[in-house]
Amino acid sequence: AAGVIQSPRHLIKEKRETATLKCYPIPRHDTVYWYQQGPGQDPQFLISFYEKMQSDKGSIPDRFSAQQFSDYHSELNMSSLELGDSALYFCASQLAEQETQYFGPGTRLLVL
Amino acid sequence: AQSVTQLDSHVSVSEGTPVLLRCNYSSSYSPSLFWYVQHPNKGLQLLLKYTSAATLVKGINGFEAEFKKSETSFHLTKPSAHMSDAAEYFCVVSPPGGTSYGKLTFGQGTILTVHP
Repeated sequence: AAGVIQSPRHLIKEKRETATLKCYPIPRHDTVYWYQQGPGQDPQFLISFYEKMQSDKGSIPDRFSAQQFSDYHSELNMSSLELGDSALYFCASQLAEQETQYFGPGTRLLVL
Repeated sequence: AQSVTQLDSHVSVSEGTPVLLRCNYSSSYSPSLFWYVQHPNKGLQLLLKYTSAATLVKGINGFEAEFKKSETSFHLTKPSAHMSDAAEYFCVVSPPGGTSYGKLTFGQGTILTVHP
């Protein structure tokens, strides 16, 4: 079965640079969630989209923005990167009427 | 508001012995509860979920969990541990229903170590 695809899998950036993370949900899934997992921490919800509209917002810095496109893929844009942004970023997709989120493998971002 | 507390940050068992990973939740409504597993450098895999149906939930790889409303608990168990079970386990709570507001709240995680 098709799973959630995230790209890139690994990313190294310098401070103050920008990064774009992409998420391709499971086909027919209309909802996408982004989570950030810092070293040794549990995943923290950042933001979610349903039918291309932002549906909820968590602890996402103002330097980050995200959107969901017409094909339901989502992109997380991160600007003015800081050392503390180094983390594993997960995307999860869901069919809204179901109750299960399926996670991608994550993008590991390292900011130097 | 909702929160999850995993009572043990580390659990160590011998192969072939039972596994118990403890989770308590707090929620102002009847939540949906999940257990996810994360192997090193891997993504999160769903083990099982409770969504107000049967209180004893069976998942993959022989795991099961029992929802106890009176104790606000959702402990994960497995009768016999296998070496491949070594991973980090997250107890997760979500608002009920398949809405677009299913923001997951994770517990702090329990690292399971399995000794030969």
